[in-house]
Amino acid sequence: GESVGLHLPTLSVQEGDNSIINCAYSNSASDYFIWYKQESGKGPQFIIDIRSNMDKRQGQRVTVLLNKTVKHLSLQIAATQPGDSAVYFCAEILSGGYQKVTFGTGTKLQVIP
Amino acid sequence: KAGVTQTPRYLIKTRGQQVTLSCSPISGHRSVSWYQQTPGQGLQFLFEYFSETQRNKGNFPGRFSGRQFSNSRSEMNVSTLELGDSALYLCASSLEVGLQETQYFGPGTRLLVL
Repeated sequence: GESVGLHLPTLSVQEGDNSIINCAYSNSASDYFIWYKQESGKGPQFIIDIRSNMDKRQGQRVTVLLNKTVKHLSLQIAATQPGDSAVYFCAEILSGGYQKVTFGTGTKLQVIP
Repeated sequence: KAGVTQTPRYLIKTRGQQVTLSCSPISGHRSVSWYQQTPGQGLQFLFEYFSETQRNKGNFPGRFSGRQFSNSRSEMNVSTLELGDSALYLCASSLEVGLQETQYFGPGTRLLVL
């Protein structure tokens, strides 16, 4: 039979409010992190990245925070808009002979107009 | 500038068959990466090609292979298809090699194995 699909956690946010999406990563040696946005029927879209030697990085309406002590990554979206509705997932990259990338399972963001 | 294009967009195959998927990167991009996305496993990295050479590789069996041509276009091949290979296969391109580079994804090829 078919495999059971991932039950994505869902975050519902009122339009205009701030959104915070969290991600726990697995490898303390990962040196690079990326947040992606994936809208229904489309491929993932790069949002923002951060190196492991940084704690915070800001983009346009988005901020990524990295807490290496607890291996936690968060994406903050300011003044959330309906167009922000999508699945968001993080990726951790470990450099080495071959780079290794691991993706989080994702969080579905629903913006309530 | 045109985005990443993938062909075909949809494909139905039966177990045991093989399949070849194609990806054309953004003009000027020299790196192409392939990913598999399924409801059960999420997004997983297959491999990255740069200058016709495989530069990074995920943890997939040898049935999954790829190649890159001199014009940076890339193909991936899956032989002896299994039901579990049903997935959305995504291609992404970037200017330079390395998974830390900003990657631009195509819409994907949805493969169904019966």
